[in-house]
Amino acid sequence: NAGVMQNPRHLVRRRGQEARLRCSPMKGHSHVYWYRQLPEEGLKFMVYLQKENIIDESGMPKERFSAEFPKEGPSILRIQQVVRGDSAAYFCASSPPGGLIHNEQFFGPGTRLTVL
Amino acid sequence: DAKTTQPNSMESNEEEPVHLPCNHSTISGTDYIHWYRQLPSQGPEYVIHGLTSNVNNRMASLAIAEDRKSSTLILHRATLRDAAVYYCIPTGGTSYGKLTFGQGTILTVHP
Repeated sequence: NAGVMQNPRHLVRRRGQEARLRCSPMKGHSHVYWYRQLPEEGLKFMVYLQKENIIDESGMPKERFSAEFPKEGPSILRIQQVVRGDSAAYFCASSPPGGLIHNEQFFGPGTRLTVL
Repeated sequence: DAKTTQPNSMESNEEEPVHLPCNHSTISGTDYIHWYRQLPSQGPEYVIHGLTSNVNNRMASLAIAEDRKSSTLILHRATLRDAAVYYCIPTGGTSYGKLTFGQGTILTVHP
């Protein structure tokens, strides 16, 4: 069973461009989470999605950031008009359906975004 | 979310046991205690979780205080691969689906 896959692993964008980060959850997992780790800082929750639904987006910046998890295909974290402060490692995690407080989250290797 | 307090860093020698403490005095009665770790340049990795009773798995043991205000992650024989940042995370209540990572404990393992 393949783990959580994220691509690209490294992404370089110039200021003002768009960044699209993809996450394929583990097989059978219907919950996806995105976290961000800024340089020298801790991991921060961004958004929690189930298929076609955003459940909790309390950690998402109000502007330029959006996330989706369509019925088919990977989850996408989209950052429009990137700025240097968006440079960070973005991690995706997935968990199976069921009791959330019991289920461990399986993390991907992350996408390291660098904004020039 | 319950607040946690962990030492900033700890050191151990290879093959020796390591006890990583965590205080979570504001934990609610229904919160589980999860531990994750993050190896350098990797995503976090689940280690163990528990509610009230001590728990064991192939990676570690979790000792939970009777009043649940603190817990200790025990690595029975540290290896170099155990060098990581260890996070103690109470989960439950309104945090369903969300892990709130604190600063964690940086564990250094010496050969």
